[in-house]
Amino acid sequence: DIQMTQSPSSLSASVGDRVTITCRASQDISNYLVWYQQKPGRVPKVLIYAASTLQSGVPSRFSGSGSGTDFTLTISSLQPEDVATYYCQKYNSAPWTFGQGTKVEIK
Amino acid sequence: EVQLVESGGGLVQPGGSLRLSCAASGLAVSSNSVSWVRQAPGKGLEWVSIIYSGGSTYYVDSVKGRFTISRDNSKNTLYLQMNTLKPEDTAVYYCARGRLGHDYWGQGTLVTVSS
Repeated sequence: DIQMTQSPSSLSASVGDRVTITCRASQDISNYLVWYQQKPGRVPKVLIYAASTLQSGVPSRFSGSGSGTDFTLTISSLQPEDVATYYCQKYNSAPWTFGQGTKVEIK
Repeated sequence: EVQLVESGGGLVQPGGSLRLSCAASGLAVSSNSVSWVRQAPGKGLEWVSIIYSGGSTYYVDSVKGRFTISRDNSKNTLYLQMNTLKPEDTAVYYCARGRLGHDYWGQGTLVTVSS
């Protein structure tokens, strides 16, 4: 099965900083990658699908890039409401494995 | 409006069984792929199982042979039969539509496996 490895596992940044989270697949998954944001006590929310397509209603400071095995989620200017855990997930074929998550905090 | 509502969670002893239900409205389970995803307390998301629109089913290795996903098209409901439960199965279980990832999620139902 394909493994999904996210890094870092946590980060602390200042408001306005550019934040980058990476996700690596152990095999080629083309662009079948989705990014979620999960706030404490809440259900995960899709931010980016097909590796780089912004979900409707998601602020434009979020962006995704990559294909094949290496993917990136970028927050161009971190806001207080972005405090959350972020997950990547592959969906090209089962199992639809998640990354381990990246917890983002404000410094 | 799409709604997914899980039920059936609770406290069960190790080795016991539970059946989770996911009642759908605003989408037809018969023509959509739907997954079960779980999250242990304080841990990350773990994909558990999927039933594709065509009926094929898949499972994460840790539940193969113990869990069975199914659907009742007439009730527009998804199920997860969980047998031989282990303490490590303790989690909130979500059902979620599988389209470009998981675009709609239920609120989850808590399963606790403990003696």
